[in-house]
Amino acid sequence: GESVGLHLPTLSVQEGDNSIINCAYSNSASDYFIWYKQESGKGPQFIIDIRSNMDKRQGQRVTVLLNKTVKHLSLQIAATQPGDSAVYFCAENESRGNLIFGKGTKLSVKP
Amino acid sequence: ETGVTQTPRHLVMGMTNKKSLKCEQHLGHNAMYWYKQSAKKPLELMFVYSLEERVENNSVPSRFSPECPNSSHLFLHLHTLQPEDSALYLCASSQDRAGPNQPQHFGDGTRLSIL
Repeated sequence: GESVGLHLPTLSVQEGDNSIINCAYSNSASDYFIWYKQESGKGPQFIIDIRSNMDKRQGQRVTVLLNKTVKHLSLQIAATQPGDSAVYFCAENESRGNLIFGKGTKLSVKP
Repeated sequence: ETGVTQTPRHLVMGMTNKKSLKCEQHLGHNAMYWYKQSAKKPLELMFVYSLEERVENNSVPSRFSPECPNSSHLFLHLHTLQPEDSALYLCASSQDRAGPNQPQHFGDGTRLSIL
């Protein structure tokens, strides 16, 4: 079956550095992608999304890059802060409207 | 505050008990979802409701029974659960079900433990 997955299960960065979290997807027909952040004891929180007709989208301190050629998605966090420590999930929107989630990457920020 | 509220936050029950999980969304959305989140597994979609009609049942055992009385409320009725059903149960909603620009907004979940 087709799936969304993450290259790195854990990522540790120094406070103030930039973070890059990667995601590979296999469904070339997916037209919409979302990044979520999940803090301990909370549900996934929407961060940023991107449609397949774009290759880059920026938010506040976050940037999502989409490379459809290699079916790769990344989330860049600028000037990472301790409050960014969480598990990050990418998700792709399949044709029926359901989201398929990856397993997640845990980001730890060292002060 | 995500606009999606789940109660209770924690639930411990025996295998013969009957309980219900509740979800309420204050976003005016038309689609609502139940997910199961287990350790070291991706989020698993259980049920989808669109305009109060169940549109998807993702091969979920009958011991889980959803109910959507109106577009703002979603319940998950539980009975005769198994230990492997212990997990975080997440509710989500989106404006409509399908298409781009339809992010799902999640509640904080109910942590369910089966004794």
